[in-house]
Amino acid sequence: DVKVTQSSRYLVKRTGEKVFLECVQDMDHENMFWYRQDPGLGLRLIYFSYDVKMKEKGDIPEGYSVSREKKERFSLILESASTNQTSMYLCASSSLGVGLNQPQHFGDGTRLSIL
Amino acid sequence: GDSVTQMEGPVTLSEEAFLTINCTYTATGYPSLFWYVQYPGEGLQLLLKATKADDKGSNKGFEATYRKETTSFHLEKGSVQVSDSAVYFCALSENRDDKIIFGKGTRLHILP
Repeated sequence: DVKVTQSSRYLVKRTGEKVFLECVQDMDHENMFWYRQDPGLGLRLIYFSYDVKMKEKGDIPEGYSVSREKKERFSLILESASTNQTSMYLCASSSLGVGLNQPQHFGDGTRLSIL
Repeated sequence: GDSVTQMEGPVTLSEEAFLTINCTYTATGYPSLFWYVQYPGEGLQLLLKATKADDKGSNKGFEATYRKETTSFHLEKGSVQVSDSAVYFCALSENRDDKIIFGKGTRLHILP
């Protein structure tokens, strides 16, 4: 089974802090994604990556950056955390397959609170 | 752009009731369609999928049929259980990239 592991289930940080959320997958997937999930808004794509050192902006990249130095690891960085970034963050991975309809596999999420 | 619209919740049913969660989509091409489920405290997991018109996806007693003429992919189950309580997401993927577009989710409560 595919395993996507997010480093923390719950995290509390302060406004202005630099925050790192880590995600590791064990299935050699090319694609990795970061979403945030908010009530009434569903899942919104922040950033994604198709390969090592490659990144693409999603729908709501402002205030975030990402790093993919190794294939299995995709980090989400909040450069200067703000209260409106309090949310559930979900990481996902999938194998490369344009047109092959590869499903995404999700971690259990990190519930981040910014005080 | 592409989008997915699903019925708002929460949906509350008694055990053994029939379930329908409506989902319609807008897409420029011929997308693949998915239903994902999120159990409490967990991430999303794929429930079923369909890749072309008239395909029926099925899993764990849930079914959904890809209807191109009505641009719909409604989720159904004949007899729900308490353990089906979760949030259900309808989603699509155009065949030009690996991104998935999700609906806003429908929370389902099943009462014993």
